[in-house]
Amino acid sequence: AQKITQTQPGMFVQEKEAVTLDCTYDTSDPSYGLFWYKQPSSGEMIFLIYQGSYDQQNATEGRYSLNFQKARKSANLVISASQLGDSAMYFCAMREANTGNQFYFGTGTSLTVIP
Amino acid sequence: DADVTQTPRNRITKTGKRIMLECSQTKGHDRMYWYRQDPGLGLRLIYYSFDVKDINKGEISDGYSVSRQAQAKFSLSLESAIPNQTALYFCATAMGTSTDTQYFGPGTRLTVL
Repeated sequence: AQKITQTQPGMFVQEKEAVTLDCTYDTSDPSYGLFWYKQPSSGEMIFLIYQGSYDQQNATEGRYSLNFQKARKSANLVISASQLGDSAMYFCAMREANTGNQFYFGTGTSLTVIP
Repeated sequence: DADVTQTPRNRITKTGKRIMLECSQTKGHDRMYWYRQDPGLGLRLIYYSFDVKDINKGEISDGYSVSRQAQAKFSLSLESAIPNQTALYFCATAMGTSTDTQYFGPGTRLTVL
């Protein structure tokens, strides 16, 4: 079974609008971390935001927030006020404590911001 | 200077050749990882190492080998390259707790003809 599922291969959003990128995960480990990364066309992987399994509040980092719904095992990334520079691939990842803290990645969502 | 470096950044080689991709880090992390990225498949783990004496196979280790020469250095080798190993390869490092992110190198774009 897939550990991380991203069901949106491609998304479009109008500049200055908000967009939600979906991510669901599968684990039986009570201790885990959820991460989002951005990969622009230049290729580097940029860490955006982290959510811990025991965190009570949703993580926020500037225009990025993580909508963490533990019971549904979802960790959606919300980008507010989209900018042209947000056009990139976005990857959701999970790190479990009981598998030696390996990272598992989704297949990514390609976001295009339309001017 | 970058915390995680990879050499070379780009490489074109021929089928059957031996290739080594090198990764160095200055972050002082024990854990190092090698991934490959193919379009539509995300990042897939090739090998990972928790310290110099602990090396583990990942999801797609066939056709690859690794060497952890020091805490800061982790090399990936393709003993006999084949065209379906054409991909973008990333090295990454991390600390040992589930709250810590990975730090990625800039990637090596490998083409096997």
